[in-house]
Order: sequence, then C-alpha cells, then structure tokens
Amino acid sequence: SQTIHQWPATLVQPVGSPLSLECTVEGTSNPNLYWYRQAAGRGLQLLFYSVGIGQISSEVPQNLSASRPQDRQFILSSKKLLLSDSGFYLCARSLNGGAANEQFFGPGTRLTVL
Amino acid sequence: AQKVTQAQTEISVVEKEDVTLDCVYETRDTTYYLFWYKQPPSGELVFLIRRNSFDEQNEISGRYSWNFQKSTSSFNFTITASQVVDSAVYFCALSESNTGNQFYFGTGTSLTVIP
Repeated sequence: SQTIHQWPATLVQPVGSPLSLECTVEGTSNPNLYWYRQAAGRGLQLLFYSVGIGQISSEVPQNLSASRPQDRQFILSSKKLLLSDSGFYLCARSLNGGAANEQFFGPGTRLTVL
Repeated sequence: AQKVTQAQTEISVVEKEDVTLDCVYETRDTTYYLFWYKQPPSGELVFLIRRNSFDEQNEISGRYSWNFQKSTSSFNFTITASQVVDSAVYFCALSESNTGNQFYFGTGTSLTVIP
C-alpha cells in the first residue's frame, strides 16, 4: 500500500491560533514528502519538501513551518495563523528526488481561517 | 515566469463530445518530464500520465490520449467521448532533471461535462 493519510480533513481556525496538520505515509521507506497549498483559485504552490528525517527545504517564505520527526510523518505547523493561510493543503510523496518520479497526493486538508 | 501554462481556465462540453486540454511548458533542460493530474470534486489529485522529454510518441489509454510535441513545447490531453465522471480540474506539471524535487504545476483547467 502506498496510502497517504492526512489529518484532519477539514479545519476552521481563528486568526492568530496555532496550526498542526499531519501527513503520514504507508508502505514506502524513505520517501520524499511534500506540502502544497491550493488557494481559492486552483494553482498548486509548493511550500516545503523533505528528503529525509529532519531535512526540510522551504520554497516560499511565510509564517508556516514543517517538520519530519519520523520517516513517514510530515507535519505542517504555524504559531499564528493569518487569513491568507486559508486553503486546501495537500501532502504528496515520491519515491525519491528524481525528476522522473511522479508525485502521489493525499486527500488534503481544507483549512479555513476566520 | 510561468513554466507551465494552461490557457483554458474552464471548459464545458456536452457528454460524448471530445475535448482537448492544452498545456504549454517552458524549460531549458534537455531532460525533463511532463505529467497530467486529475482533481475531482473530492480534492485529491490523481496521477494520470508521465512522459519524458526523449519520448515523443503519443499515448492512448482508453478514452484518454496525449499529444507531446517538443517543437511547440506542448503536451495536450484529449478525452474522447467525454462522460460526466470526467468533470474535474486537470493539471499539467513539469519537472526538470536539474531540479528534481520541484514540480511546476499549471493553474489547471476546470472541465465540466454536461449530461
């Protein structure tokens, strides 16, 4: 199984509150993991990617952070949410960092910041 | 600069019509890969196809077909005899050998198939 789990599925949070979104991957060892955000339009914006435990690369400066405490766990966090953080957050994995490897996506978390 | 352009924001077709979704890409790499994904209303992106830059052979999978033309930097996707279940947002994406971790997604084309 190459299943990707994301928790929670939906979330409504007030501005200024903290955030923790979790992504766990089954079946594959040492995957590359990614966090994307899809804002009100449809485009996908890469936020973070990780090639291994404790290794995080940030693509876009913002008030979000990511961590990878375990091989198959990827967490997206914020200390204080902004209205602009609302969106659909997708976790993805690939077998390794090669450009040839397709990315597979989880079911997503829909975040609304009020 | 946008590396992947999907100029069609929204398309509506009547069921059983054929429809082509356009994708134009930009890269300086000689080795790169192109992808199509489908995002149904549920939200999860579904991988459809991957092509590498050295293989321009068109591909057909059931009602789906892909036309890769390096001369025009295009990787178009055609659905034949469209069905209501084809209604979704479709994304084209590019990855380059020099930046393997980065997928460049287009802004997507929303397809509505009317019964």
